[in-house]
Amino acid sequence: KAGVTQTPRYLIKTRGQQVTLSCSPISGHRSVSWYQQTPGQGLQFLFEYFSETQRNKGNFPGRFSGRQFSNSRSEMNVSTLELGDSALYLCASSLGGSTGGSSGANVLTFGAGSRLTVL
Amino acid sequence: AQTVTQSQPEMSVQEAETVTLSCTYDTSENNYYLFWYKQPPSRQMILVIRQEAYKQQNATENRFSVNFQKAAKSFSLKISDSQLGDTAMYFCARTTSGTYKYIFGTGTRLKVLA
Repeated sequence: KAGVTQTPRYLIKTRGQQVTLSCSPISGHRSVSWYQQTPGQGLQFLFEYFSETQRNKGNFPGRFSGRQFSNSRSEMNVSTLELGDSALYLCASSLGGSTGGSSGANVLTFGAGSRLTVL
Repeated sequence: AQTVTQSQPEMSVQEAETVTLSCTYDTSENNYYLFWYKQPPSRQMILVIRQEAYKQQNATENRFSVNFQKAAKSFSLKISDSQLGDTAMYFCARTTSGTYKYIFGTGTRLKVLA
């Protein structure tokens, strides 16, 4: 069973540019979440998508956006890049059903991440 | 603020010994889930163990076990018979009720020494 695939793994951009990151979840997983990981702020929740709808959003400016396609693949976009956007962006997928009980539906499986450097 | 606190930035343990990583959290909810994730130097986060807050029994997974103290809002991870492959960053995390939004702690860097 293939894991969560993130592309690209590494990228370098300059300030003011925009970037699109892609995430393919585990087959059968309908929820995709995105996290930003930096040495200073740690892991911060960006947003979560389920069945093409954003269910939750973190405290990030509107420059950060995302979407999910009918096959559950997800993309996130960052426009007008700033130096502070340099980070490891982690995508995680999960079954996405009810969070109750012992189903394990809310267990996240992470991808290897996309390392973004903004110069 | 809904926070998760890991007060030990770095720890080390000798191979085959036991180590305990601490985690406390803040919540006003009654139903939530707690997790420990491991991030080895290769960067891919891996689930170590999961605890449902409504269950009194502490979760165990082979050499990994937790001490869940709901009233104290404490969730520590015990690693028994430590192995070199346990060297990694360990993150404690909590979901907010009914959502898939995780709140992570700042992590504990664990080094297992040969």
